[in-house]
Amino acid sequence: AQSVTQPDIHITVSEGASLELRCNYSYGATPYLFWYVQSPGQGLQLLLKYFSGDTLVQGIKGFEAEFKRSQSSFNLRKPSVHWSDAAEYFCAVGAGGTYKYIFGTGTRLKVLA
Amino acid sequence: SQTIHQWPATLVQPVGSPLSLECTVEGTSNPNLYWYRQAAGRGLQLLFYSVGIGQISSEVPQNLSASRPQDRQFILSSKKLLLSDSGFYLCAWSLFTDTQYFGPGTRLTVL
Repeated sequence: AQSVTQPDIHITVSEGASLELRCNYSYGATPYLFWYVQSPGQGLQLLLKYFSGDTLVQGIKGFEAEFKRSQSSFNLRKPSVHWSDAAEYFCAVGAGGTYKYIFGTGTRLKVLA
Repeated sequence: SQTIHQWPATLVQPVGSPLSLECTVEGTSNPNLYWYRQAAGRGLQLLFYSVGIGQISSEVPQNLSASRPQDRQFILSSKKLLLSDSGFYLCAWSLFTDTQYFGPGTRLTVL
């Protein structure tokens, strides 16, 4: 069965520092992979997605993610965090050709000034 | 461009009362539509999805139901709310099995 694990519930970084949020998935074939961001009380906004091709994916707001099949990972990175990046981040996996996404439980990011 | 709306934004209801949450999508035709629930501190749980008018698939047995009376309208309902129905309800749309895009959500508190 598909599953998604985000090992870090909370992460705190200083403004200007680099960021890496971890995501591990379990799926038998090549999955569709997504990162979403959610500000408090808001809906989810798509940051980036991976379907196939280049394993390094660029997204909005300066984020990128790398698909590593051997590690079943799709970690999200940003070289320099801004205070406005404070939010909750969700990784999701979708099986190609189905309607179901499985979401991780999220990582809450706090940014220190 | 496509836009997704949800209303109301917040709702406080007593236990045992009915519920109706509405979601509409603009700027696309025949979208797939989804209802998710997000409980405090947890991820998203898919409740229902629909691939067309009148076609509803339920993912989780519960006190809720969904309907799709028009192509771009998706309604989440309950006849009698339970305390456990409290949460943040998100509607999403996609074209076929492509990326899902989410609405702003409805915060439901059942007292």
